[in-house]
Amino acid sequence: SQQGEEDPQALSIQEGENATMNCSYKTSINNLQWYRQNSGRGLVHLILIRSNEREKHSGRLRVTLDTSKKSSSLLITASRAADTASYFCATDKGGGADGLTFGKGTHLIIQP
Amino acid sequence: ETGVTQTPRHLVMGMTNKKSLKCEQHLGHNAMYWYKQSAKKPLELMFVYSLEERVENNSVPSRFSPECPNSSHLFLHLHTLQPEDSALYLCASSQDRSVGGYTFGSGTRLTVV
Repeated sequence: SQQGEEDPQALSIQEGENATMNCSYKTSINNLQWYRQNSGRGLVHLILIRSNEREKHSGRLRVTLDTSKKSSSLLITASRAADTASYFCATDKGGGADGLTFGKGTHLIIQP
Repeated sequence: ETGVTQTPRHLVMGMTNKKSLKCEQHLGHNAMYWYKQSAKKPLELMFVYSLEERVENNSVPSRFSPECPNSSHLFLHLHTLQPEDSALYLCASSQDRSVGGYTFGSGTRLTVV
């Protein structure tokens, strides 16, 4: 079964607004990561949050992790047209096993 | 450029052809990965190499054959593929298997006709 599931599947907002995407997962994890993918290109690593962390910031990005609910959220503040992309969460179960497991992603469109 | 280079960017091949995808990284990473990305499906992990040894093979059909001759290069050899194998094939690397984020290449868009 799929490990990470992002919600919503698609999100369209106006430039300058904040965008929030959620991710749920099923098994215990070592860390959770967020990636961005522009159309047809490779994924770019955005931020990593470890299982013992609850919140992390990087520039306009804020990630939260709730291990009791097996969920994470990615907040992009003051969105820009260049933020238009697909965003994926990925879970790492640790121990070097299995690689990262990705969800289907949230497609974010920022309207100028 | 991310530091992980994939060639070719696009590939069209017939079902009876043999071709290879190439991935190269000079980031000093010890682990490399092949992922398959199909429309409306999550990325699927195909193979994991750590220090040039294959450590994961996620039930991938034998028509896909990986090769890791050294820690900087990774190949995916393709033969007698099916149209449903058409997808974006992504290579990634990481410092170690269980540490940190992955650096992805731009992918090879494969079309099987």
